[in-house]
Amino acid sequence: EVKLVESGGGLVQPGGSLRLSCAVFGFTSSDYWMHWVRQAPGKGPEWVANIKQDGSEEYYVDSVKGRFTISRDNAKNSLFLQMTGLRAEDTAVYYCARGSGWVSDYWGQGTLVTVSS
Amino acid sequence: IVLAQSPGTLSLSPGERATLSCRASQSVPKNYVAWYQQRPGQAPRLLIYTASSRATGIPDRFSGSGSGTDFTLTISRLEPEDFAVYYCHQHAYAPLTFGGGTRVEMK
Repeated sequence: EVKLVESGGGLVQPGGSLRLSCAVFGFTSSDYWMHWVRQAPGKGPEWVANIKQDGSEEYYVDSVKGRFTISRDNAKNSLFLQMTGLRAEDTAVYYCARGSGWVSDYWGQGTLVTVSS
Repeated sequence: IVLAQSPGTLSLSPGERATLSCRASQSVPKNYVAWYQQRPGQAPRLLIYTASSRATGIPDRFSGSGSGTDFTLTISRLEPEDFAVYYCHQHAYAPLTFGGGTRVEMK
C-alpha cells in the first residue's frame, strides 16, 4: 500500500524556520518525482516545489524561491522541505505527494504549519 | 498558467449529472490537466490526469474531456460520496497551478 506520512509542522514565529519531513512507504521513492503542495485554511491547493528522482532538478513557486529548499534522501525513502524566513502567508497544511511525472497521484494527510507571533 | 473553474458552486441531487468546467489562460501542452476531489478534512484525491485518463480505482461515472484551454469533468450520476470540492490542475509547466475549485453540494 502506498503511504506518505508528513511530520515537522507546528507553530513558528514570523521569520523563523522549520523543516518538514515526509516518509514514504509501499513504493521506491527513487523511481518518482516528489512534490510539496500546501493548502491555506479555506483555500485551494498551491503547489510549492518538486524534485526529480535523483535530486538533480528542483522547481519552486515564485513566492518561496530563496526561502524554501526541497531535498530528498532516497536511501531512507524520505523527502524534506527546509523553510526559512517564514511569513504569515505561509500558514497552511503542507502535503507531500508522489509524482507520476508531474501529476501528484498519492498524497499524505498533511502537516499544519502556523506562522504567528 | 491560470486556471478558472466554473461554476463556483453546483447544487444538485443524487443521481443527477454534474458538469464542471476549467478554463486555462493559455493552451495546456499535451492536455496535461488533472482533476482532484477533496472531501472535508482529507487530502485531495486524484481522479483524472492528462485530461481524460482515469486514475487507479476511480469509478467510471467520472470522466474528463477537453483540449487546449477548455476542460470538463463530468460525473454521470452523483452518488452521496461525490458531494465535495473539485479542483483542476495543470501539470505541464512549472509553476504547477490549481484552479479555485467547484463545490458540488447536495440540493
